[in-house]
Amino acid sequence: DSGVTQTPKHLITATGQRVTLRCSPRSGDLSVYWYQQSLDQGLQFLIHYYNGEERAKGNILERFSAQQFPDLHSELNLSSLELGDSALYFCASSAGQGHVSPLHFGNGTRLTVT
Amino acid sequence: EDQVTQSPEALRLQEGESSSLNCSYTVSGLRGLFWYRQDPGKGPEFLFTLYSAGEEKEKERLKATLTKKESFLHITAPKPEDSATYLCAVQAGSYIPTFGRGTSLIVHP
Repeated sequence: DSGVTQTPKHLITATGQRVTLRCSPRSGDLSVYWYQQSLDQGLQFLIHYYNGEERAKGNILERFSAQQFPDLHSELNLSSLELGDSALYFCASSAGQGHVSPLHFGNGTRLTVT
Repeated sequence: EDQVTQSPEALRLQEGESSSLNCSYTVSGLRGLFWYRQDPGKGPEFLFTLYSAGEEKEKERLKATLTKKESFLHITAPKPEDSATYLCAVQAGSYIPTFGRGTSLIVHP
């Protein structure tokens, strides 16, 4: 058990809808990362938060947004959903930022857009 | 832009048949290279961190090595429970890990 909790595990929704994915990092970890995993793209970095502040953005669509709250949990909001947004979304946490440390992943949220 | 290429994409082994997985990388200023194991329906699980060329790490039947251009994950006498996807990631100047697409390993009994 990595200590990172993601909810929900599965999400099925229709095109055009909006969903929120939630992540609770490991106890004591200040950094939260969001990644998208699809069969043809592998793990793609979306966004990184450290102690409540956005620190880096990757290939995140404008329809997607995220935030990290004072209790350090994070939410990823996906809006105007398209079929191509169907994927596994992973949250990962690490202790700090700006130094070499492995990420600890949750078990992901599988999003299916129909 | 950091690039990570893993090969082969898929590997089938018989139980006890040792082999190696490759991770080639192109980065500016490698700070660390990571190996993860991912089981179906689960998140990646951290295995090793390698920091500099020549470094080696071992865990049970797995041994990871690092050169200036690539890393190898050697699997000695694998068992069916070693079946998983193995991911390689690099951390360079931006400190954001970049992942390869992984090698899917199946070990037949």
